[in-house]
Amino acid sequence: DQQVKQNSPSLSVQEGRISILNCDYTNSMFDYFLWYKKYPAEGPTFLISISSIKDKNEDGRFTVFLNKSAKHLSLHIVPSQPGDSAVYFCAARRNQGGKLIFGQGTELSVKP
Amino acid sequence: DARVTQTPRHKVTEMGQEVTMRCQPILGHNTVFWYRQTMMQGLELLAYFRNRAPLDDSGMPKDRFSAEMPDATLATLKIQPSEPRDSAVYFCASGLVLGGARINEQFFGPGTRLTVL
Repeated sequence: DQQVKQNSPSLSVQEGRISILNCDYTNSMFDYFLWYKKYPAEGPTFLISISSIKDKNEDGRFTVFLNKSAKHLSLHIVPSQPGDSAVYFCAARRNQGGKLIFGQGTELSVKP
Repeated sequence: DARVTQTPRHKVTEMGQEVTMRCQPILGHNTVFWYRQTMMQGLELLAYFRNRAPLDDSGMPKDRFSAEMPDATLATLKIQPSEPRDSAVYFCASGLVLGGARINEQFFGPGTRLTVL
C-alpha cells in the first residue's frame, strides 16, 4: 500500500524554466510534508517542508504547494539550474511518530 | 561538520552469507532510522530507534533482518542469511526529538550499496 506516490519517475526541463514535481498521498492523517533531494552516491538531503496548516511555503527558488482536498503537493523550482538535476523524494509524516513515508522519487534532469 | 557515517559503502556477497551494516548517527541525535532504497519501492523504512530503543521495525523482514543499537554512537543492521532480493542501497538517518517536539528533518548517511549474488 503506497501511501505516498510520485507517479512521474523522471522529468526533463530546460535550464531557466520551471520544474514542477508532483506528489500524491492517500492518508488524510498526514500533517507534515517534506521534500528531499538526492544526488548519485549520496544520501538524501532535506530541501523544504510544509505543515498541513499551510498551503504554500517558499525558500528561494523552491516553493512547495499543498492541496489538502486533493491530497496533492508539488515542488516548484524556478528558475531551474543544471545543478538541480537529482532525484527528488517527497515524504509525509503523521502526528508525532517521527516516521516518514517516502514516495518512489522523481529524477529531474535540467538541461543547459 | 556533523554527518551520519555508514560502513561499508559497498558490499558484494554471496547468497547465504551474513551481512552487517553499521551507522554512526550525528552526535547528540536520539533517533536513528534504517531505510532501503529500491527502484520499485523508493525509500522504505525498515526500522527506527529512539534513545536506543526500537520503536518500529514493522518494515523489516523479521526472519532474516535484525537491527540493534549497542550504544548511542552505533546502529547495526544485519541480514542473515542474505538473498539476491536484498540487493539495494541501505541508508541510515538520524534526527533529534525532544519531549513532544516533532522530528522535522532526518539527516541521511551516504548509504551502503549491497549486492547479493
